[in-house]
Amino acid sequence: EVQLVESGGDLVQPGGSLRLSCAASGFTFSDHYMDWVRQAPGQGLEWVGRIRKRANSYTTEYAASVKGRFTVSRDDSKNSLYLQMNSLKSDDTAVYYCARVDTTTYWVDPWGQGTLVTVSS
Amino acid sequence: IQLTQSPSSLSASVGDRVTITCRASQGINKFLLWYQQKPGKAPKLLIYTASTLQSGVPSRFSGSASGTEFTLTINSLQPEDFATYYCQQVTNYPLTFGGGTKVEIE
Repeated sequence: EVQLVESGGDLVQPGGSLRLSCAASGFTFSDHYMDWVRQAPGQGLEWVGRIRKRANSYTTEYAASVKGRFTVSRDDSKNSLYLQMNSLKSDDTAVYYCARVDTTTYWVDPWGQGTLVTVSS
Repeated sequence: IQLTQSPSSLSASVGDRVTITCRASQGINKFLLWYQQKPGKAPKLLIYTASTLQSGVPSRFSGSASGTEFTLTINSLQPEDFATYYCQQVTNYPLTFGGGTKVEIE
């Protein structure tokens, strides 16, 4: 069974840092791009960032709202995806999802269950 | 690329045919996804490349495209279909979502 499990969500003060993890199983992790998407409470979905696979030099893309503050990385040997979040703001409060990306048709499926990040003093 | 999804909400009855529209601000080569999200759950992929049904998704869901206008149709709405639906373009960065359409029971 293909599964993604996020962890690391927490309450953090404005200006602080947090690292989220996403553990993948049931598929060949190294063959896929991976995405992070977030959803603020009661709001819609916002794409955060993407990391490509080794064949594409692990290059990354980011939303303008997080560029320079967030970093997406991966460890294929551990089937794990990460999101390092620095200089956190109250607007970053959201449930953060990781998701698998198909490299041909770019479908995004499945998504993990999400992990809640709350930025507040 | 901006995606304008309409309506933002609708009320319908079991058995109804429902249509949701997503309009892109520029061409996206049919790289459009449709998701269903229920409260407290992660989004579930329904359709990719505008009209291809994801494996395991009921055939009452269908997608179509005409230029920069994309449509999700649910034929014969079922009780489990009451949810929020989102479109997403996966052509140009930054990737973007539509604002969502909440389908409620009439």
